[in-house]
Amino acid sequence: AQTVTQSQPEMSVQEAETVTLSCTYDTSESDYYLFWYKQPPSRQMILVIRQEAYKQQNATENRFSVNFQKAAKSFSLKISDSQLGDAAMYFCAYRTTGANSKLTFGKGITLSVRP
Amino acid sequence: GAVVSQHPSWVICKSGTSVKIECRSLDFQATTMFWYRQFPKQSLMLMATSNEGSKATYEQGVEKDKFLINHASLTLSTLTVTSAHPEDSSFYICSASAPGGFNQPQHFGDGTRLSIL
Repeated sequence: AQTVTQSQPEMSVQEAETVTLSCTYDTSESDYYLFWYKQPPSRQMILVIRQEAYKQQNATENRFSVNFQKAAKSFSLKISDSQLGDAAMYFCAYRTTGANSKLTFGKGITLSVRP
Repeated sequence: GAVVSQHPSWVICKSGTSVKIECRSLDFQATTMFWYRQFPKQSLMLMATSNEGSKATYEQGVEKDKFLINHASLTLSTLTVTSAHPEDSSFYICSASAPGGFNQPQHFGDGTRLSIL
């Protein structure tokens, strides 16, 4: 069974600084997808970024980028130029290929942004 | 983009009553939807996978008779919490895979906060 581990329950970052959120996973599959979701206090789940395992290039979405290390099964999220609106819970998630495959979430990390 | 609507957003009811939560894909057809439960400051726990036109697939430990799932059309799945008790109070979220292939992400509803008195 696949597992996703987020070992840091909380992190804090100064506004405008950079922060990296860690995530590791365990799988025997060679092809899969990885995601970072953001859940602000409103509790809406917002997709931040996704990475296809077969792609070597790290995904980037504006201030958000990932460091995908397939051999190490590591998938960290870097947030640059942190903003107050980035404060939220962040969940790392894994999904196998297949149209109806389910997401496996990590425990999440609470990120606070200091003004 | 793909939109998933969930209703109601918040419900308060007495112990012993049944509560129905709806999950709709507004601008796409979803043969599969997923139901999650989330306690405060915790992760999303998958309860069941809802398949259009067939029985739902429940995760281990989830009571089928307690959490009834119906996926009668390609745009609607419902979760009914039967004979709800205070321990069923939680945040329930649904999601559906956007069309276009298996590389498409799941899109989530805004969730339902259920409080049983």
